[in-house]
Amino acid sequence: GENVEQHPSTLSVQEGDSAVIKCTYSDSASNYFPWYKQELGKRPQLIIDIRSNVGEKKDQRIAVTLNKTAKHFSLHITETQPEDSAVYFCAATTNSGYALNFGKGTSLLVTP
Amino acid sequence: DTAVSQTPKYLVTQMGNDKSIKCEQNLGHDTMYWYKQDSKKFLKIMFSYNNKELIINETVPNRFSPKSPDKAHLNLHINSLELGDSAVYFCASSQLKDYTFGSGTRLTVV
Repeated sequence: GENVEQHPSTLSVQEGDSAVIKCTYSDSASNYFPWYKQELGKRPQLIIDIRSNVGEKKDQRIAVTLNKTAKHFSLHITETQPEDSAVYFCAATTNSGYALNFGKGTSLLVTP
Repeated sequence: DTAVSQTPKYLVTQMGNDKSIKCEQNLGHDTMYWYKQDSKKFLKIMFSYNNKELIINETVPNRFSPKSPDKAHLNLHINSLELGDSAVYFCASSQLKDYTFGSGTRLTVV
């Protein structure tokens, strides 16, 4: 089955700096790569996603890049703010069943 | 209107008991899921149902039995609860890859 690796497990940045989280996947059939943000005690919330026919997608301060050849994708957050502090999960899925295979999460702390 | 609702939100129970968690979605989605989030925050798929039919059954002890009476409901019954079953269980639904998670059920086995 699909194996998603995520790094780093923790990330601490100062407010205004950029944060980058990287994921790799194993199943070449994976074609959809969402990123979720989970605040303490809350449900995972989709923040951005990318499909395998696209190399990059941006939404305000958040961007995601995908390298299908290398089987890795990254989340970039620019101009970080304290409210960006949360656990971020990458995931990958195929067209079979649509179950999300999650990375182990990155705990992001943005200090003022 | 809550799109994916789970009950109960919290569940504290003793080892050996049997408990159920209920999930309902009003989005008209065809597929529903159960995910487990352990103490290390790792989110893992347990089951997936499409139009009441089981399509994914990951390596989960057979003490866990999902039931889908119709495509809007997916319940999870757990027999003989163990300490290691303590976790947050998230229900989710999707139409293709448009996903919605429930707010989670925090199960604590004592």
